Amino acid sequence: DSGVTQTPKHLITATGQRVTLRCSPRSGDLSVYWYQQSLDQGLQFLIHYYNGEERAKGNILERFSAQQFPDLHSELNLSSLELGDSALYFCASSPGLVNTGELFFGEGSRLTVL
Amino acid sequence: KNQVEQSPQSLIILEGKNCTLQCNYTVSPFSNLRWYKQDTGRGPVSLTIMTFSENTKSNGRYTATLDADTKQSSLHITASQLSDSASYICVVSSSGGSYIPTFGRGTSLIVHP
Repeated sequence: DSGVTQTPKHLITATGQRVTLRCSPRSGDLSVYWYQQSLDQGLQFLIHYYNGEERAKGNILERFSAQQFPDLHSELNLSSLELGDSALYFCASSPGLVNTGELFFGEGSRLTVL
Repeated sequence: KNQVEQSPQSLIILEGKNCTLQCNYTVSPFSNLRWYKQDTGRGPVSLTIMTFSENTKSNGRYTATLDADTKQSSLHITASQLSDSASYICVVSSSGGSYIPTFGRGTSLIVHP
């Protein structure tokens, strides 16, 4: 158990819909990262938050947005869903801003868009 | 551009055999390199970390090597077990402006009985 909690574990929805994925980082970790992993693909970095502020963006679509709340949990919002958005979405946390340390991953949220 | 390339893309071996996975990177300036193990449908878990001054590090049956001059790392698995079946991901972090680690695509290892 990494200490990172993601909900929901599984989500099935239809094209055009909007979903919210939630992540609670390890206790004390200030950084939260979101990754997308499509079938048989590598982990694609989406966005990074540190202590409530957005610090880096990767290949995140404009239809996707995220935020980190004062209690440090984070939410990833996916809207106008398309079939290609079906993937595993992982959240990871780390203690600080400079990543000389380890990323602790949650178990992921599996999104299926029909 | 920071990049991490892994080979082979996939590998099938028999239980009890050894194998070596490769990682080449162009991340600069280099901070550290981690190997992660990702079981199917699960989140990745760190196996080892290598810093600039380290050549070899072991974690049980896993041994990682680093050649900072050629920017190459390897992960050697000894006496493989069925539970070693997973994706192994090389992740390189920079000490420069971008603190977002660069992920390789991973090597998918299948261990057959």
